[in-house]
Amino acid sequence: QVQLQESGPQLLKPSETLSLTCAVSGGSYWSWIRQSPGKGLEWIGQIYQSGSTQYNPSLKSRVIMSLDKSKNQFSLRLTSVTAADTAVYYCARHGGFDFDSWGQGTLVTVSS
Amino acid sequence: EIVLTQSPGTLSLSPGERATLSCRASQSTRSTYLAWYQQKPGQAPRLLIYATSSRATGIPDRFSGSGSGTDFTLSISRLEPEDFAVYYCQLYGSPTYTFGQGTKLEI
Repeated sequence: QVQLQESGPQLLKPSETLSLTCAVSGGSYWSWIRQSPGKGLEWIGQIYQSGSTQYNPSLKSRVIMSLDKSKNQFSLRLTSVTAADTAVYYCARHGGFDFDSWGQGTLVTVSS
Repeated sequence: EIVLTQSPGTLSLSPGERATLSCRASQSTRSTYLAWYQQKPGQAPRLLIYATSSRATGIPDRFSGSGSGTDFTLSISRLEPEDFAVYYCQLYGSPTYTFGQGTKLEI
C-alpha cells in the first residue's frame, strides 16, 4: 500500500525558503500540489524516479525538487516566499496522468 | 495553459437523488488526461475517476465518468450521505496539471 507523509516547517517569514519532505513507499513519480482558499488546487511540479523534474511555469523560477532514493523521500524547496504561498501542501503519487495517492497535507503559513 | 471550468459551483440535492457535475476544458483534450477527485473537509483529495471513465480502486459503481473533447461529466447515480463533499476535475495539459475550481455538493 502506497503511503506518503509530508514534513517540514509550518511557519515562515516573507522572503524565506520553504522546505518540505515527503516520505514515500511505492510509486515511480510524484508531485507536489498546494491548496489555498484563493487559488484552489495548484500543481507545483513533479519528479521522476530518475531524478528528472518538471515544474509549473508559474513557479518554475522559485522551485527546486530533489529525490533521495536512500531515504525513500523527495523534497520541495520554494524560495522567496510571500503571503501568497500560504497553503496546504500535499505530496502525491502519480497513477498516470492523475494522482492516485496523497499525503495528508501540511499547512504552511507565511507571515511576518 | 488549459483552463477547466466546473459547473455548477454548488449543487443542492438529497440522498437517493442523482448528481451530474460538469467540467469544461478551454481546449480539446485526450480522454486519457481527465480525472475526478472528491474532497471532504480536512482531508486530502481522493481519486475517483481517471482517464475520463475508469473508476479508481475501491470506488463504488454509483460513480461514473463520461465525456470527450472539451466536455466531461461526473455522475453519481444514487447519492449516499457520505457523497456530500467538494468535487474537482483535473487535466494533464503537457507539461502541467490543472484543476477545476470545484463543485460543492451539499444536502
